[in-house]
Order: sequence, then C-alpha cells, then structure tokens
Amino acid sequence: DTGVSQNPRHKITKRGQNVTFRCDPISEHNRLYWYRQTLGQGPEFLTYFQNEAQLEKSRLLSDRFSAERPKGSFSTLEIQRTEQGDSAMYLCASSAGRGTDTQYFGPGTRLTVL
Amino acid sequence: GIQVEQSPPDLILQEGANSTLRCNFSDSVNNLQWFHQNPWGQLINLFYIPSGTKQNGRLSATTVATERYSLLYISSSQTTDSGVYFCAVEVYYGGSQGNLIFGKGTKLSVKP
Repeated sequence: DTGVSQNPRHKITKRGQNVTFRCDPISEHNRLYWYRQTLGQGPEFLTYFQNEAQLEKSRLLSDRFSAERPKGSFSTLEIQRTEQGDSAMYLCASSAGRGTDTQYFGPGTRLTVL
Repeated sequence: GIQVEQSPPDLILQEGANSTLRCNFSDSVNNLQWFHQNPWGQLINLFYIPSGTKQNGRLSATTVATERYSLLYISSSQTTDSGVYFCAVEVYYGGSQGNLIFGKGTKLSVKP
C-alpha cells in the first residue's frame, strides 16, 4: 500500500485549454473525494464517489468540471475551458468507508492557468 | 452550514517550546480530523478524534464534542513541526457520509 497517488503533480496550461487529473486511491478504499485548495485557505470539497457512483457534488463544481470513477478504482477530474480562477491545488482523498472513516490525502496536483 | 474556526492563525515558536492549537465548530459533528500540511502541500493525518483524547508521541489531541471544540497540543516543538495545521469536521446528512469541512488553519513556524 503506497498511499493515495495523483498525477501530474504540476500542470501549467493556457486559459481556455482542457486539463485532466488522475487520482489512484489506496487499494480497497471504496470512497474517493476531490477537494480544491487556494492559497491561504483550507481545502474545499468538490465531489465524492462511493465505488463508481458519484454521490455528492459541491456548488463549486461548475459545468466545466467533470469527475469520473470508472470501475470504482482510479478517478479523473477534468476541467474544460480553464479560467485563471481555476488555478489551485487539487487534492484527492480516499477512505475505507467503514465505521470510523479517516480520509487519507494524496500529494495534490497544482494547476496554474496562464 | 457548519463553521470551523481555528486559532491562532499564526504562531511562531522557539524550538523546544510547547503550544496549543484550537478548533471551534458551530454544530454537532460525526468526524473530526487534525492534519499537518507540510511545505510541499502534502496533508498528513495526525488524529481522527470526534471525541475524547489521543496521544501520538509529542502530539496529543482532545475533542470535547458537547462544547464543540478540539485542541491539538504540540510539546517540545521541532523545526520539522513547521507548516499549517488544519482541523476538519464532517457532518452526516440523512445517513450518508458527508464531506470534510476545513478551517483556515494555523500556520506554525518553529525557529531553531
């Protein structure tokens, strides 16, 4: 078990381009979460999966954002037509989904939109 | 929605000093976690502590759920303790698991 991994670690893109991030959760964790963190703030919840089902989405997740978790394993977060305001650290977390449910975070993907 | 407030926002310590970080929350919670975010952005789990007291080495935490606060104690601080400490709470809605709601963090700097 190597923990939650995220790729890429850094992404620089031009405004208007599409970007996709990947998250690999801890194996056998059936819950997967995406958060966004801007400078000087705590992480903010974006969306959450139970296995392959997307169960909750924040109002922060505009129409330009889409997340998937095919087969209930890894997840992707896509941002279409990026804007400068999308620049942030995108964090993924997973949890076992049993009883006392600790969330474990990956190292994040830092997005810079020029 | 639930509010999470952390204090102090910034803290500077001399190596070897002790400190207490506080987290207040505005409603009953089902989950409370403390994290340390290192300078590279990695969030490291410190404690899962919806109630009671736990200790792990130089760190300990206490949550008094009935009074809606949690405390994180750092004893004999080291320079490697520097970073931002976050408190995060979770509220369950209608039986399904909710998401973590984070405070704004306490930025700790430990000087040698």
